Amino acid sequence: NAGVMQNPRHLVRRRGQEARLRCSPVKGHSHVYWYRQLPEEGLKFMVYLQKENIIDESGMPKERFSAEFPKEGPSILRIQQVVRGDSAAYFCASSPPSLRAIQTQYFGPGTRLLVL
Amino acid sequence: GENVEQHPSTLSVQEGDSAVIKCTYSDSASNYFPWYKQELGKGPQLIIDIRSNVGEKKDQRIAVTLNKTAKHFSLHITETQPEDSAVYFCAASISGGSQGNLIFGKGTKLSVKP
Repeated sequence: NAGVMQNPRHLVRRRGQEARLRCSPVKGHSHVYWYRQLPEEGLKFMVYLQKENIIDESGMPKERFSAEFPKEGPSILRIQQVVRGDSAAYFCASSPPSLRAIQTQYFGPGTRLLVL
Repeated sequence: GENVEQHPSTLSVQEGDSAVIKCTYSDSASNYFPWYKQELGKGPQLIIDIRSNVGEKKDQRIAVTLNKTAKHFSLHITETQPEDSAVYFCAASISGGSQGNLIFGKGTKLSVKP
């Protein structure tokens, strides 16, 4: 079974450009989480999505950041008008649908965004 | 909101020794505590997790203990090997409904010297 896939693995953008990060969850998983990791720090939660729904976006910056998980296709994290402070590693995790409340999250390899 | 503190930030041990990493959490409603290993340039990999209805869990050389009263949990690695060298993250979660996001500690960089 393929794990969580993320692309691109590395992304370079100039200030003011848009960055689009893609995440394909484990086959059969319907829950997707996005996290951001700054150098030498832990991961910070950004947003939790289920198919076609945003469940929790309490960790997302109010401006320039958006996320979606359409019925078909990968989840997309979009950052508009990037600034240097957006440079970080962005990780996607997925978990399966279940009646159980607690679900293990499986992480992808991440997208490393560098803003010049 | 939940806050997770992790210590130490760096840990160096000799091959074959044990390594212990400790975490504390603030929200007594947290009920799920995973540990992840992250190697350079890679994503976090789950190595073990524990739920709040269990005090201890073991998987070969790795064990995790949970003290709900004190709100702390620890990772124990015995008979360390050079390939155990990585950054280890603890996390806490309040699972259920719209919750489920993980709150991570800042990580422990473990170095195992041969």
